[in-house]
Amino acid sequence: GAGVSQSPSNKVTEKGKDVELRCDPISGHTALYWYRQSLGQGLEFLIYFQGNSAPDKSGLPSDRFSAERTGGSVSTLTIQRTQQEDSAVYLCASSLGAGTVYEQYFGPGTRLTVT
Amino acid sequence: AQSVAQPEDQVNVAEGNPLTVKCTYSVSGNPYLFWYVQYPNRGLQFLLKYITGDNLVKGSYGFEAEFNKSQTSFHLKKPSALVSDSALYFCAVSSTGANNLFFGTGTRLTVIP
Repeated sequence: GAGVSQSPSNKVTEKGKDVELRCDPISGHTALYWYRQSLGQGLEFLIYFQGNSAPDKSGLPSDRFSAERTGGSVSTLTIQRTQQEDSAVYLCASSLGAGTVYEQYFGPGTRLTVT
Repeated sequence: AQSVAQPEDQVNVAEGNPLTVKCTYSVSGNPYLFWYVQYPNRGLQFLLKYITGDNLVKGSYGFEAEFNKSQTSFHLKKPSALVSDSALYFCAVSSTGANNLFFGTGTRLTVIP
């Protein structure tokens, strides 16, 4: 079946503008994750959604970052008033169930460049 | 607190030779351990995981990893490297009740023909 898809694949924005990044998880996967991958660094956890439970937002770096997941499927990560340090690849992943015992399937990412 | 160390930024190995990519971890409780691979311009792909049971875990593309509790390690291995194995490899750790994976900084593997 189809994998995790993300859009756009690339986004260039000016400092101070808002951006929205979209993730379509694998059908039937109840868990959804957002990570950020900066150059030369590992993946940094941002937020986790599981079913209808309240999301785990503990990884969001500032209140400029927010995310929602509608209908238990598609998710949108929003970054307000973007800063140059927000430049990174934003990765979405989904998994079959709750908890990290299930392997996560990653999308191709959105490369965000803030000029 | 969870942490993962991949002590080598770069590993070079000749085609046909065995390869090892190192990973050590620190976690409270019993660890869940994962290896992912990232090919150029592609997303991360799951290779293998250790949750419980046999310490030697076999995964995709002929890779395997051994969980060593006393050394808190989970090194990735393959008996005979292929040029197509050249990629960026990430080790990740989690534990029971955790909501996310904690990733290492990655090791770039280059297999030389």
